[in-house]
Amino acid sequence: EMELVESGGGLAPPGGSLRLSCAASGFTVNSYDMNWVRQAPGRGLEWLASFTGSSGNIYYAESVKGRFTISRDDSKNSLYLQMNTLRAEDTALYYCARVEGDLVAIDYWGQGTMVTVSS
Amino acid sequence: QSALTQPASVSGSPGQSITISCTGTSSNIDDYNFVSWYQQHPGEAPKLIIFSVTDRPSGVSNRFSASKSGNTASLTISGLQPEDEADYYCSSYTASSTWVFGGGTKLTVL
Repeated sequence: EMELVESGGGLAPPGGSLRLSCAASGFTVNSYDMNWVRQAPGRGLEWLASFTGSSGNIYYAESVKGRFTISRDDSKNSLYLQMNTLRAEDTALYYCARVEGDLVAIDYWGQGTMVTVSS
Repeated sequence: QSALTQPASVSGSPGQSITISCTGTSSNIDDYNFVSWYQQHPGEAPKLIIFSVTDRPSGVSNRFSASKSGNTASLTISGLQPEDEADYYCSSYTASSTWVFGGGTKLTVL
């Protein structure tokens, strides 16, 4: 059964850093494009970053470019999001999500890990 | 990377049909058939209900249908049921290999 489990969320001060992890099971992450998507409390979904499966290309939303870094560890079948220079507006539930290439749609989502940026 | 535009809320009575619009640009919806729709119940992760503009994943009710005209995509839910009450998000893959979501629409079943 396919599963995505995020971890690493928590409380961080403005200007601080956090590293989110997403452990995948039931499939190999390097065979799929993988996304990070966040949802601020009471707000909508916001795409943050993609790590493409085959080519390893990386793409970022303008809102996080230069502050967040997406990476992948094939030996651990995991995806990561390094978040630096955190701001209050980064407070959100962060989802790891798999893109099914044939569908060009997100077919699996994790349950999310909550990040709170506050002093 | 402007968000796609959706109405904030729609409502309907059980058995009725509702339509949610999603307006984008030539960089996403207009030029690409990669529009998807997601249903999100409170406290849960989003669930894919439509991909490639009009297609339903296995297991999704045929009461959900979708279409696209120019830069506007639409999701229609027919025969509304109480369990359809949820937030709905459209999304599109874009010309710059990024993704964009709509702001979300809260569906209330009266």
